[in-house]
Amino acid sequence: DARVTQTPRDKVTEMGQEVTMRCQPILGHNTVFWYRQTMMQGLELLAYFRNRAPLDDSGMPKDRFSAEMPDATLATLKIQPSEPRDSAVYFCASGPSGGSGSYTQYFGPGTRLTVL
Amino acid sequence: GESVGLHLPTLSVQEGDNSIINCAYSNSASDYFIWYKQESGKGPQFIIDIRSNMDKRQGQRVTVLLNKTVKHLSLQIAATQPGDSAVYFCAENRGGAQKLVFGQGTRLTINP
Repeated sequence: DARVTQTPRDKVTEMGQEVTMRCQPILGHNTVFWYRQTMMQGLELLAYFRNRAPLDDSGMPKDRFSAEMPDATLATLKIQPSEPRDSAVYFCASGPSGGSGSYTQYFGPGTRLTVL
Repeated sequence: GESVGLHLPTLSVQEGDNSIINCAYSNSASDYFIWYKQESGKGPQFIIDIRSNMDKRQGQRVTVLLNKTVKHLSLQIAATQPGDSAVYFCAENRGGAQKLVFGQGTRLTINP
């Protein structure tokens, strides 16, 4: 049963600390998405990659957030320095290329981040 | 006063009844639609999808209806069960890009 995995599942940190969230997409999927979910804003797209190249990161605060795919099996989202307003659940999702006309994204379980 | 947080539309149905969750979209260029289910503490889970060249698609206990004339999408769940309690999101893909645009969600509660 192929699934997107995310680590850590929960992270509590203090303001100013660096936070790194990791995602393993489903094997064979070549698109990876990072979302943030809060009560205030709902589900927001932060960034997405195709074949490990960033295609769109317009939803991400550039000064403190960065997203990378060091290889096809790992995507990272880093916040440095973290702020209380970054507290949210961060989801990673992966999907196939879309060439078959399917744009389905499969979500991981999320990382719940609390910045004190 | 000022509202804080999203006020999700809510729907309560009796266990065993059918439920219909509605979604309006605004972009006529959208050609692909998905319904997701999100249970508390979990990530959104794919339920069913439909392309714009179809107006109906059925899955196990679920049916998605698409009305392109009025830009409306609905999810019908037959014989609801307690496990169907969740927030349901519709999402649309706008013409080829792989990004999905998500609706705000509807909270479905199944009453015993």
